Amino acid sequence: AQSVTQLDSHVSVSEGTPVLLRCNYSSSYSPSLFWYVQHPNKGLQLLLKYTSAATLVKGINGFEAEFKKSETSFHLTKPSAHMSDAAEYFCVVSDPSGGSYIPTFGRGTSLIVHP
Amino acid sequence: GAVVSQHPSRVICKSGTSVKIECRSLDFQATTMFWYRQFPKQSLMLMATSNEGSKATYEQGVEKDKFLINHASLTLSTLTVTSAHPEDSSFYICSAPSSGQGAWITEAFFGQGTRLTVV
Repeated sequence: AQSVTQLDSHVSVSEGTPVLLRCNYSSSYSPSLFWYVQHPNKGLQLLLKYTSAATLVKGINGFEAEFKKSETSFHLTKPSAHMSDAAEYFCVVSDPSGGSYIPTFGRGTSLIVHP
Repeated sequence: GAVVSQHPSRVICKSGTSVKIECRSLDFQATTMFWYRQFPKQSLMLMATSNEGSKATYEQGVEKDKFLINHASLTLSTLTVTSAHPEDSSFYICSAPSSGQGAWITEAFFGQGTRLTVV
């Protein structure tokens, strides 16, 4: 069975400083991994995805993530936080366990950006 | 890019009434639609998977008679919360795989979500 753990429920940074949102996964297969962002009372928007191509994945709005199989991690980073980055971030894993690619969502990390 | 449009974005209803939520795939055909429920400060919980032309598949613990799902066309899936009660108040989100059907392999597109408040 697949699982995903977002290690921090909240991350607080100052505007202009780096962002690190941590995600660890468990999968018996070669999984697909995703990061989605959700602003209050909105749907989810795809930031980036890993689907067995390059391990360093670049996404929208300056975010990137690195797939590290040895560490079973897929941490999300951004060099410099912006106020508009304040939102909820979800790490998602999807693999063919159970015969279908039903994704599993992490619990979410709330990113707080201080001026 | 592909868009999933969800309507309404907010609804307030009286206890005992039914509410219908619609999700449309605007520029692609989605034979599969996933329906999620999200409680405050929590992650998304998969409620059911709808497939065009067949019965929806519900996750364990989700009441089929309470949450009616209809996927009557290739671009429309609906979730009806029947005889709503305050405990049904939540944020409901639909999602379609980018392939339009079946597996959620590469990515999925999400609707804007519906905030349901039952009073």
